[in-house]
Amino acid sequence: GAGVSQSPSNKVTEKGKDVELRCDPISGHTALYWYRQSLGQGLEFLIYFQGNSAPDKSGLPSDRFSAERTGGSVSTLTIQRTQQEDSAVYLCASSPRRGRTTDTQYFGPGTRLTVL
Amino acid sequence: AQTVTQSQPEMSVQEAETVTLSCTYDTSESDYYLFWYKQPPSRQMILVIRQEAYKQQNATENRFSVNFQKAAKSFSLKISDSQLGDAAMYFCAYGTGTASKLTFGTGTRLQVTL
Repeated sequence: GAGVSQSPSNKVTEKGKDVELRCDPISGHTALYWYRQSLGQGLEFLIYFQGNSAPDKSGLPSDRFSAERTGGSVSTLTIQRTQQEDSAVYLCASSPRRGRTTDTQYFGPGTRLTVL
Repeated sequence: AQTVTQSQPEMSVQEAETVTLSCTYDTSESDYYLFWYKQPPSRQMILVIRQEAYKQQNATENRFSVNFQKAAKSFSLKISDSQLGDAAMYFCAYGTGTASKLTFGTGTRLQVTL
């Protein structure tokens, strides 16, 4: 079956512009996560969606960052008024999220965002 | 707050040899999970192995095994019979059933030489 897909693969934008990053999770997975990976760093949690519950937004670094998940499937991460420090790889992951067990998260290939 | 530390930014191993990557973590939880993920140049994070903290037996997946020392909060990854395809960044990660996110270390870059 298909894995997690993300688009675009690469995005170059100018400082101050808005960008939208898309994630298509594995079919049937109810949990969806966004992480940010800055150069030479580990992954930093941004936001988590689980079914119809309110998302966990505790990792969003500022109010310029927002995300939505439509119909419990596709998710879009939006960064408004991009800054150079937003340059990073943005990774999306999904998991079945059965019960309270920490399921394995399956990652997409990421979107590399470069803000000039 | 939970933290994950990988103290080896880079490691090198010869093909067919064995290498061990280190990871330590800090937590006050008793029920948690630990993971090793591999990230090749393609950027795709691939699960290598996972360990449930309540299990005393160390997890093993083919050439990959872990040494889980719960009291010491240590979770090292051993790669046996290293292959060129093992060259990648390796990330240690921590998660709990009550928390949605994974906490990652900063990674170890593994180079495999002939």
